[in-house]
Amino acid sequence: AQSVTQLDSQVPVFEEAPVELRCNYSSSVSVYLFWYVQYPNQGLQLLLKYLSGSTLVKGINGFEAEFNKSQTSFHLRKPSVHISDTAEYFCAVRIYGNKLVFGAGTILRVKS
Amino acid sequence: DGGITQSPKYLFRKEGQNVTLSCEQNLNHDAMYWYRQDPGQGLRLIYYSQIVNDFQKGDIAEGYSVSREKKESFPLTVTSAQKNPTAFYLCASSPDRELTEAFFGQGTRLTVV
Repeated sequence: AQSVTQLDSQVPVFEEAPVELRCNYSSSVSVYLFWYVQYPNQGLQLLLKYLSGSTLVKGINGFEAEFNKSQTSFHLRKPSVHISDTAEYFCAVRIYGNKLVFGAGTILRVKS
Repeated sequence: DGGITQSPKYLFRKEGQNVTLSCEQNLNHDAMYWYRQDPGQGLRLIYYSQIVNDFQKGDIAEGYSVSREKKESFPLTVTSAQKNPTAFYLCASSPDRELTEAFFGQGTRLTVV
């Protein structure tokens, strides 16, 4: 079965520090990859996506992610975080049958 | 203003009662999805529909039912057979069957007492 593993359930970081949220997936075929952000009691907002082409993907709010096919990873990075980045982040993979499979989420806590 | 509207935002029901969650979209999307979110478990797919009058079970369909009579509407009924219905429910839609992107509603928090 296809799966998505987000390696950290919580990531605390100080404001203006860099951050990396890790995501690994299991798939033997080509995939579409997504990162979403969720603020408390709200829906999910798309940060960025990889469909094909360049393996470095830039998204909104200064986030970027790199698709690594050999390591089946799609880690999310930001060079300098703000208090407003505090939220839960979800990695997702589109699998065969046109369904999205989500990781368990990573809570990013930005401290001042 | 295009988007996905879920209503109500909060819903309380007594155990043993069926309840229907509304999801409406004006994006003219063919595909629609229902997910359930529980803390620490991410989102799990309940049902999805890629065309009017057709829908498929997702990974956790037991205790739920859906209909897709109109392109813009995909209501979810949580039945009394669902053993643990308290959760946050999210509806999504996609402009194409390839699922190049999914747009989400603001969610409905269902509490069963």
